[in-house]
Amino acid sequence: SAVISQKPSRDICQRGTSLTIQCQVDSQVTMMFWYRQQPGQSLTLIATANQGSEATYESGFVIDKFPISRPNLTFSTLTVSNMSPEDSSIYLCSASPARIDEQYFGPGTRLTVT
Amino acid sequence: QKEVEQDPGPLSVPEGAIVSLNCTYSNSAFQYFMWYRQYSRKGPELLMYTYSSGNKEDGRFTAQVDKSSKYISLFIRDSQPSDSATYLCAMSVDQAGTALIFGKGTTLSVSS
Repeated sequence: SAVISQKPSRDICQRGTSLTIQCQVDSQVTMMFWYRQQPGQSLTLIATANQGSEATYESGFVIDKFPISRPNLTFSTLTVSNMSPEDSSIYLCSASPARIDEQYFGPGTRLTVT
Repeated sequence: QKEVEQDPGPLSVPEGAIVSLNCTYSNSAFQYFMWYRQYSRKGPELLMYTYSSGNKEDGRFTAQVDKSSKYISLFIRDSQPSDSATYLCAMSVDQAGTALIFGKGTTLSVSS
């Protein structure tokens, strides 16, 4: 298994600013993912972050808005840029050592944009 | 039509009841089917994982997949207050690195 921590756990931010969310895994993993969970909505994949390559973004998400770093096999960051109230959501990091039935989630970062 | 449909509930049952949670999907390419449990203010945790059609049992939990009907179910027997959580179904086309497509989740409350 893998234990995942995220920082910060929550934040309240002003419109137009940026927030960087950190995700730390207690073991080396091949794949890391960033999801958004909006109230009443499904978990939606933002991007896949593999070490040593550019992040792959899902339809509707762009690098300028959600830049991602993956400097090593245990760590990733997601930045939410130029925030608006529509970005208020829970952002979740997940990691998978190899197989889809081994995808572990962090506790999430609850973001409120005012 | 969304790829995965799941009734958000809420669903309230007394302790000891049998609970049935369901999802339907439209993409016939889905091969891997998962159920996640998410407690309030926590990340989802994998509960059950099934490949293709069939049943899988783990203690009080049974997962069923009917690919011909594009329908999956999670049954919880002898439900307990500790089962109170949101249950999310998720699906994927392949096993390695493909995005999971989630349902919206069903909120379950089990009263003692």
